[in-house]
Amino acid sequence: GEDVEQSLFLSVREGDSSVINCTYTDSSSTYLYWYKQEPGAGLQLLTYIFSNMDMKQDQRLTVLLNKKDKHLSLRIADTQTGDSAIYFCAEMSYQGGKLIFGQGTELSVKP
Amino acid sequence: DADVTQTPRNRITKTGKRIMLECSQTKGHDRMYWYRQDPGLGLRLIYYSFDVKDINKGEISDGYSVSRQAQAKFSLSLESAIPNQTALYFCATSDLGTSGSYEQFFGPGTRLTVL
Repeated sequence: GEDVEQSLFLSVREGDSSVINCTYTDSSSTYLYWYKQEPGAGLQLLTYIFSNMDMKQDQRLTVLLNKKDKHLSLRIADTQTGDSAIYFCAEMSYQGGKLIFGQGTELSVKP
Repeated sequence: DADVTQTPRNRITKTGKRIMLECSQTKGHDRMYWYRQDPGLGLRLIYYSFDVKDINKGEISDGYSVSRQAQAKFSLSLESAIPNQTALYFCATSDLGTSGSYEQFFGPGTRLTVL
């Protein structure tokens, strides 16, 4: 079945770049997403990439998609303490409308 | 005002009690979802509804039921709560959108504790 995997924790220093990785199994995924969850809050969409793209950049965020290896990454440049949160990778199944989420990566940014 | 609201935000209950969690949205979306979040497991889909007459089971529907009372309202019930249903529950909505991406919009969550 469909599965999305992420590592659970990442710790970086303020000002460094953060790279959060995700692997997925469904080769027919149409869209892949990155959501951010701040403490005590719901999930907020950060960015998404369509499956026919290799890269998408949005200010400090860069998403890279390697369809051959079914690997997705989110790079946050100049990471700030306000970036501390849980980041979820998700894929949309071919049938559409349903998202499969990874376990979430907790990013800790140290001053 | 929030586009997706959930009530209650926190609930503590006892084993065997019936519980209803409610979700309302003002986004005009047809699609609504219920997820639960457990540490280290991410979000898992409980039920989803693509319109008022459409209800579908997700990957972990056992022990739960839902009702889609209107386009704007989707409620989740635990008929007889058990401790392993202690979790953070999220409602979400989506629609096709201009990008065709079916971006999902999440409510703030309901923290449920079953003693």
